[in-house]
Amino acid sequence: DVKVTQSSRYLVKRTGEKVFLECVQDMDHENMFWYRQDPGLGLRLIYFSYDVKMKEKGDIPEGYSVSREKKERFSLILESASTNQTSMYLCASSHNGNIDNEQFFGPGTRLTVL
Amino acid sequence: QKEVEQNSGPLSVPEGAIASLNCTYSDRGSQSFFWYRQYSGKSPELIMFIYSNGDKEDGRFTAQLNKASQYVSLLIRDSQPSDSATYLCAVNPLTGGGNKLTFGTGTQLKVEL
Repeated sequence: DVKVTQSSRYLVKRTGEKVFLECVQDMDHENMFWYRQDPGLGLRLIYFSYDVKMKEKGDIPEGYSVSREKKERFSLILESASTNQTSMYLCASSHNGNIDNEQFFGPGTRLTVL
Repeated sequence: QKEVEQNSGPLSVPEGAIASLNCTYSDRGSQSFFWYRQYSGKSPELIMFIYSNGDKEDGRFTAQLNKASQYVSLLIRDSQPSDSATYLCAVNPLTGGGNKLTFGTGTQLKVEL
C-alpha cells in the first residue's frame, strides 16, 4: 500500500525559530514535492526533488530550503519562521512517468507560527 | 490566464443526482489529467486519471477528456453526502519537466440530503 508520512500533523513555533518538516515515502519514488496550501490559493509548489541530492525551486521558494540525502526522505526547512508561513504543508511523491505520474500525498502538517 | 481553471463553487447537488465538475487548462500539449478529492482538513487523494480523449469510468466516477477544447470533467453518479469535498484537477504539462503537476484551486462540492 502506498505510503507517504510526515513527521508532525500539527506544529506550533515562534517567529524566528528554525523549523524542520520531514517527509518519508516507502514507494521507491524518484520525485518528491513540498507544497503549501492556503484558503483560496490552492496548492503552491515550494520545492521539488527528482533524485537524491537534487532539488529545484518551485513557485514560492523564498524563505524555505530543502534537503534530500536519501531517496525516501525529503525535508523542508524554514530557516527563520515568520507568521506568513503559517499554513498547511503537504508532501507528495511520484515515480517517473510520461503519463501515469500521479502524486501521492502525505497527511499534511498544519504549522502555526506565533 | 491561470494554467488550470476550476470554478470554486460551492456546487450543490441533491443526494442521488449527478455532480459535474469541470476543469480547463491552457497548455495544449498537456499529456495526462488527474482528479483528486480533498476532505476538509485532510490531504488530497487520487480518484482517477485520464490521458486519452473520451470517457473513463471507475465505479460511480467518470472522467471525460476533450483535448481539442482543453477541457476535462469529472462526473459523479448517484452522489452521496460522503462525496462532499473539494475536488482538485491536476494537469501533467508538456513543459516544465520534473514530473510536476499543475493543480487547479479546486471546486467545492456539497451533496445535500
